[in-house]
Amino acid sequence: DAKTTQPPSMDCAEGRAANLPCNHSTISGNEYVYWYRQIHSQGPQYIIHGLKNNETNEMASLIITEDRKSSTLILPHATLRDTAVYYCIVKAAGNKLTFGGGTRVLVKP
Amino acid sequence: GAVVSQHPSRVICKSGTSVKIECRSLDFQATTMFWYRQFPKKSLMLMATSNEGSKATYEQGVEKDKFLINHASLTLSTLTVTSAHPEDSSFYICSASAPGTAGGTEAFFGQGTRLTVV
Repeated sequence: DAKTTQPPSMDCAEGRAANLPCNHSTISGNEYVYWYRQIHSQGPQYIIHGLKNNETNEMASLIITEDRKSSTLILPHATLRDTAVYYCIVKAAGNKLTFGGGTRVLVKP
Repeated sequence: GAVVSQHPSRVICKSGTSVKIECRSLDFQATTMFWYRQFPKKSLMLMATSNEGSKATYEQGVEKDKFLINHASLTLSTLTVTSAHPEDSSFYICSASAPGTAGGTEAFFGQGTRLTVV
């Protein structure tokens, strides 16, 4: 599966949109972009995933560039409970999830 | 989303004893489950892939005789840490895949088990 690169940490203001970038320049045509987050001392939580098109659900939006080499996870209105480590993972359907370092997001009041 | 339940959430055991951790998919059947471990301030490390009705597949460097995995049904996988030592103290997390939308398969995670070996 392709490798991803994320900033190690970022702060964002409560109530504002949080934009989390992820680079995956070696992504293959059959690989999806997945986002998970892990709140302290809990198991990871699925957020969203996509292949080519932008996706939106009740938690977040996923914007994938046309060349698919990068993506952005958008939390539209960050709350304090969104403080977590966010993992961007690229993998083909059916393959195992391999976690990198992720981005440690701190939402500040 | 689908629910994966892990039990116990915390366990303290003495060195040399064995500990069993259960992972259940509550509202879907999972032919494949995964076991991870996580050290403080580190990312999740995949230990093994648990396949229903067959032997587990272990990642390189993971001792299969120490971390016994059984996946006897479509809703239950167990991880047994045998002859536990303090260095086995860690956060153990399981996940199971369920068919999802958008063509991919989504993995859902248990809440994790904090193992402390004293």
